[in-house]
Amino acid sequence: AQKITQTQPGMFVQEKEAVTLDCTYDTSDPSYGLFWYKQPSSGEMIFLIYQGSYDQQNATEGRYSLNFQKARKSANLVISASQLGDSAMYFCAMREGPPRAGGTSYGKLTFGQGTILTVHP
Amino acid sequence: KAGVTQTPRYLIKTRGQQVTLSCSPISGHRSVSWYQQTPGQGLQFLFEYFSETQRNKGNFPGRFSGRQFSNSRSEMNVSTLELGDSALYLCASSPGGASYGYTFGSGTRLTVV
Repeated sequence: AQKITQTQPGMFVQEKEAVTLDCTYDTSDPSYGLFWYKQPSSGEMIFLIYQGSYDQQNATEGRYSLNFQKARKSANLVISASQLGDSAMYFCAMREGPPRAGGTSYGKLTFGQGTILTVHP
Repeated sequence: KAGVTQTPRYLIKTRGQQVTLSCSPISGHRSVSWYQQTPGQGLQFLFEYFSETQRNKGNFPGRFSGRQFSNSRSEMNVSTLELGDSALYLCASSPGGASYGYTFGSGTRLTVV
């Protein structure tokens, strides 16, 4: 079963408008982390925002915010005031289990299939 | 501070050959993870190393292996290359411990002909 689902293969938005990229996830682990990454055509994965499963508030980072609805298992990315440079592939990812203290780490991220965002001038 | 450095950026190999990819994590980061990205399968986890030990492994054949050195630099090796191994290979580093941050490199684009 898909653990991370991004149902929008492609999205279009006008410059300066807001856009929401959808992400739903599936896990039985009570402790998990959700990430959004941006991948421009150069290939590098750029970290945008993180939400922990126990975080009470929705995460925000500048123009990025994460609409976290735990009961619905959704973690949608909202980009406000879109810019031409926002055109890229966007990935939602999940890490199951907490990062452990004391010298070990869970380094496995499970990624969705991605959404290609195109910003029109 | 310097980011995650992956070398080489591009590589062309012939079927049956082997290849070694390198990843230098951010200074102080002890965890290095590797991912394969293909148009068909998307991003798939290969393995994670922490303090020179493999902590986690994805569902890939034994032809894919890796290691981590005492300075946290990591190498990934693929033996007996197949056409299907053509992909972007991404490395991510993390401080490890009680931290969630994963910083990715620009990747190595491997083409098998």
